[in-house]
Amino acid sequence: AQSVTQLDSHVSVSEGTPVLLRCNYSSSYSPSLFWYVQHPNKGLQLLLKYTSAATLVKGINGFEAEFKKSETSFHLTKPSAHMSDAAEYFCVVSRMAGGGADGLTFGKGTHLIIQP
Amino acid sequence: EPEVTQTPSHQVTQMGQEVILRCVPISNHLYFYWYRQILGQKVEFLVSFYNNEISEKSEIFDDQFSVERPDGSNFTLKIRSTKLEDSAMYFCASSAPGLAGGGTDTQYFGPGTRLTVL
Repeated sequence: AQSVTQLDSHVSVSEGTPVLLRCNYSSSYSPSLFWYVQHPNKGLQLLLKYTSAATLVKGINGFEAEFKKSETSFHLTKPSAHMSDAAEYFCVVSRMAGGGADGLTFGKGTHLIIQP
Repeated sequence: EPEVTQTPSHQVTQMGQEVILRCVPISNHLYFYWYRQILGQKVEFLVSFYNNEISEKSEIFDDQFSVERPDGSNFTLKIRSTKLEDSAMYFCASSAPGLAGGGTDTQYFGPGTRLTVL
């Protein structure tokens, strides 16, 4: 069984300041981990993924995430927030890297608010 | 850049009616998925599909749901007799074949169909 916990339902930061969105996971397998973003009235866009290569993963739009197995965490960060980053962010786990047609397990999402 | 498309963007139906949600996956992908997101809740996996059969399904995917790939491009989700609690955003996703014969785990999502059951 696997699960994802996003520790904050809402995060509010000022434009130009760092962003930290927290995610913990639990999995019986060696999981793949993802962050997806959902802008208002849009679909789910892949930000980045971890699949047992480098533990620090760089994604699009300046986001990155660090996989820490000892802490079962996969927190998402960005050095400087932009107004266009305002969206819903989902931490997601897949059962195994490169596995067949496995369904993804989503966290509840973190709503990122950017203050001008 | 190729993308998953879904139609319609919004579907309104009466309780008890049948609905069909349509998806066109990315053209070289072979693995297909449906998810749903009830308003205010997390995205939930419904079903995955490969080689013209269901690979995996969640406990949500009961007998009122079915999936089909009627031709080489479309992937559909049918809800036979809709209930109020079926109101949700439904996302289609697809993934490519992996090097080792399985799928890759990166799934690409469509924009969703918002289903409203009255």
